[in-house]
Amino acid sequence: EADIYQTPRYLVIGTGKKITLECSQTMGHDKMYWYQQDPGMELHLIHYSYGVNSTEKGDLSSESTVSRIRTEHFPLTLESARPSHTSQYLCASSPTTGNYGYTFGSGTRLTVV
Amino acid sequence: QQQVKQSPQSLIVQKGGISIINCAYENTAFDYFPWYQQFPGKGPALLIAIRPDVSEKKEGRFTISFNKSAKQFSLHIMDSQPGDSATYFCAAIWAGSARQLTFGSGTQLTVLP
Repeated sequence: EADIYQTPRYLVIGTGKKITLECSQTMGHDKMYWYQQDPGMELHLIHYSYGVNSTEKGDLSSESTVSRIRTEHFPLTLESARPSHTSQYLCASSPTTGNYGYTFGSGTRLTVV
Repeated sequence: QQQVKQSPQSLIVQKGGISIINCAYENTAFDYFPWYQQFPGKGPALLIAIRPDVSEKKEGRFTISFNKSAKQFSLHIMDSQPGDSATYFCAAIWAGSARQLTFGSGTQLTVLP
């Protein structure tokens, strides 16, 4: 079944640690996105990619970085986590043609202590 | 110009009632208007979508009404159920943004039993 997977679902980590949030999709979508969201609040685009080796920063400034080496994989990395990074991170993907709707993963809830 | 304004921020409805969420936009180049439903701890999921050449689209208890001249669209949930309690996001896609979604700020719907 085509889907988008995020791991881990929950992560509690100490300040200063390096973390990588994983996102993979099996739909062959060229476009992928990372959103930051506080519970029940607005979705803020922090990174997006339109294909392999293509990454751009989104509307919300973020200290995170992303990479897109394979079509299906779009990991997000924080080199040095801080309490201000505590949030939910949502990954999404969309096709280039046809139905333009986004498919979202279930998210990673990150807590930095 | 790429904003989508959504209201209300929160909505409480009795079971069996009608829930109405409104969105407005400025950019007339938007050509696809999806609504997303998000349950706590989950990513948003596509609920229903409409194109501007149609004034209304209905899927079960969910209806989108679209007013192109007023640049407004709304989601109506008929016979609202407690299971409909979620956050709802309207969105719009503009061809000029490489078909990237612009989200509204979200509406937290609570349906009382």
